[in-house]
Amino acid sequence: RKEVEQDPGPFNVPEGATVAFNCTYSNSASQSFFWYRQDCRKEPKLLMSVYSSGNEDGRFTAQLNRASQYISLLIRDSKLSDSATYLCVVNIGGYQKVTFGIGTKLQVIP
Amino acid sequence: EAQVTQNPRYLITVTGKKLTVTCSQNMNHEYMSWYRQDPGLGLRQIYYSMNVEVTDKGDVPEGYKVSRKEKRNFPLILESPSPNQTSLYFCASSPHRDYGYTFGSGTRLTVV
Repeated sequence: RKEVEQDPGPFNVPEGATVAFNCTYSNSASQSFFWYRQDCRKEPKLLMSVYSSGNEDGRFTAQLNRASQYISLLIRDSKLSDSATYLCVVNIGGYQKVTFGIGTKLQVIP
Repeated sequence: EAQVTQNPRYLITVTGKKLTVTCSQNMNHEYMSWYRQDPGLGLRQIYYSMNVEVTDKGDVPEGYKVSRKEKRNFPLILESPSPNQTSLYFCASSPHRDYGYTFGSGTRLTVV
């Protein structure tokens, strides 16, 4: 089983739609969780950290479920500019061994 | 401007010719890391460093070396590059594990 698993998509959604991505992780000792966004051929950029209590940043909401070992990202009112690949990232333990999911590609269509 | 700077952006080299990709950050971050990204495989960690003179292997360290003699610099060394090291490489830094990484713009390496 992969340490971090994501559905690679692509997810094609119309503008204004709500879309949700899930990501599962295998190591129950994982301590830090993030969502990154990556545009084609560019570097990944931190979108948001993910906390057990859930957190929201504008149209984006991230949730962590430790019992089921998954994290989620919800995007409301999708914009064309949201088209990108979304990477789930898990940090295991007290050091910087960081594992990326393969990424989920989102295409928002007019 | 706070940033991670990688050089070169593009590099074509021949098998066996030693090369170094430089990485420098101006944010006084303790943690630095190198990744390679390949189609269908995603980002994979090569090496990481928790501070000066402290480095450890990631998931795919074979064929690579790193050093951390100064806090700001974390070069990636390929002693004898091979075609299977053709990839897109990213350097990244972070102040703490809970803060996520800032990435450099990437180095596209082709080994022929």
